[in-house]
Amino acid sequence: AQSVTQLGSHVSVSEGALVLLRCNYSSSVPPYLFWYVQYPNQGLQLLLKYTSAATLVKGINGFEAEFKKSETSFHLTKPSAHMSDAAEYFCAVGSGGSYIPTFGRGTSLIVHP
Amino acid sequence: DAGVIQSPRHEVTEMGQEVTLRCKPISGHDYLFWYRQTMMRGLELLIYFNNNVPIDDSGMPEDRFSAKMPNASFSTLKIQPSEPRDSAVYFCASSPRGENTEAFFGQGTRLTVV
Repeated sequence: AQSVTQLGSHVSVSEGALVLLRCNYSSSVPPYLFWYVQYPNQGLQLLLKYTSAATLVKGINGFEAEFKKSETSFHLTKPSAHMSDAAEYFCAVGSGGSYIPTFGRGTSLIVHP
Repeated sequence: DAGVIQSPRHEVTEMGQEVTLRCKPISGHDYLFWYRQTMMRGLELLIYFNNNVPIDDSGMPEDRFSAKMPNASFSTLKIQPSEPRDSAVYFCASSPRGENTEAFFGQGTRLTVV
């Protein structure tokens, strides 16, 4: 069985500040991990994914995430928040043989001017 | 490719009416998923298909919900009869075969049952 826990349903930062969105996973086999972003009234789109090639994964819009097996974490970061980053962010896990991702509850990122 | 296409984008219907949501997946994708998104429950997987065959419908909330995929380029999600608690955003997504492939989502259908 696989599962994802996103800590914090809302995260609020100032423009220019560091963004840190937390994701912990549970999987009985080596996982594949994804971060998606959802802008208002739109579907989810892929930000980045971990496929075991490298533990630090770079995605679109300046986001990156680091896979830490010992901590079963895949936290999403961005050095400097922009107003346009305000959205809902979802972490998802898939694991060997399972093409079906399991999504977390999502974290709403709020960016203040 | 135009991506996953869903229709309609918005649907308002009266309680008891039949509602049909439509989805065209990305050409060549083997998997098709239907999700429901609400504030209370987040993103829930309702059902998924592999090569047009329903594989797991354990997420379908009640017998009022049904889904079909008559061919590789079209799927429907039907609710009959609809109830106010069915109000949500329904997403269709597709993905190609492969362990680390991501799902591609449509824009969603916002359903309101009054």
